[in-house]
Amino acid sequence: EVQLVESGGDLVKPGGSLRLSCAASGITVSNVWMTWVRQAPGEGLEWVGRIKTKIDGGTTDYAAPVRGRFTISREDSKNTLYLQMDSLKTEDTAVYYCTTEGFDYWGQGTLVTVSS
Amino acid sequence: DIQMTQSPSSLSASVGDRVTITCRASQSISSNLNWYQQKPGKAPKLLIYAASSLQSGVPSRFSGSGSGTDFTLTISSLQLEDFATYYCQQTYSTPLTFGGGTKVEIK
Repeated sequence: EVQLVESGGDLVKPGGSLRLSCAASGITVSNVWMTWVRQAPGEGLEWVGRIKTKIDGGTTDYAAPVRGRFTISREDSKNTLYLQMDSLKTEDTAVYYCTTEGFDYWGQGTLVTVSS
Repeated sequence: DIQMTQSPSSLSASVGDRVTITCRASQSISSNLNWYQQKPGKAPKLLIYAASSLQSGVPSRFSGSGSGTDFTLTISSLQLEDFATYYCQQTYSTPLTFGGGTKVEIK
C-alpha cells in the first residue's frame, strides 16, 4: 500500500524559511516524478512544482509565484521528498500536499502559516 | 500558462440527480485532463485521468468526456457521498493548472 506522510508545517514569520518533508512507503520516490500542490484556506488547489526521476534528468519545475524561493529535492536513502521554502510570504499560507506523478496518491497535507 | 475555467462554481442537486460539470482550457490540451473530488479537510481524490479513464476503485457513475479545450465530468446518479468539491486539472504543460472548483451541495 502506498502512503505519503507530510510533516514540517508550522507558523513562521514573513521572510522566514521552512522545510517540508514527505515520507513515502510502498513506492520508491527516486523512481517516480513527485509533485507538491498547495491549498490556501478556503481556496482552490495550486500546483507548486515537481521533480523528475534521475532517468528523466532529475530536473525540477516550479510555478511562477514560488520560483526562486522554493526548492524541491529528494533523499533516496530516506525515501523522502522535500520542499525547502525560503523568503516566505503571507500568501504562501496553505496546506501543502505531496503527490505522485499520476496524482493517484496524496499525503494528508501539512499546514504552513506565514504571519507576523 | 494554460487557464482552466470550471462551471458552475457551485450547484445544488438532489440524490439521484444527473450532474454535469464543465471545464474549459484556454488552449488545446488534447486529452491531458484529470478530475478530482475533495471533501472538507481531506486530500483530493483522483476520479478521472486522461479525460475519460476511470481511476481504479472509483464508482462507474462517474464519467469524463471531451478533448481539446472542452471537457465534462458527469455523475449519472448523485449519491450522498458525492457531495463535495470537484476540480479539473490540465496535465499538458507546466504549470499544471487547476480549475477553480465546483462545489456540489445538497438541495
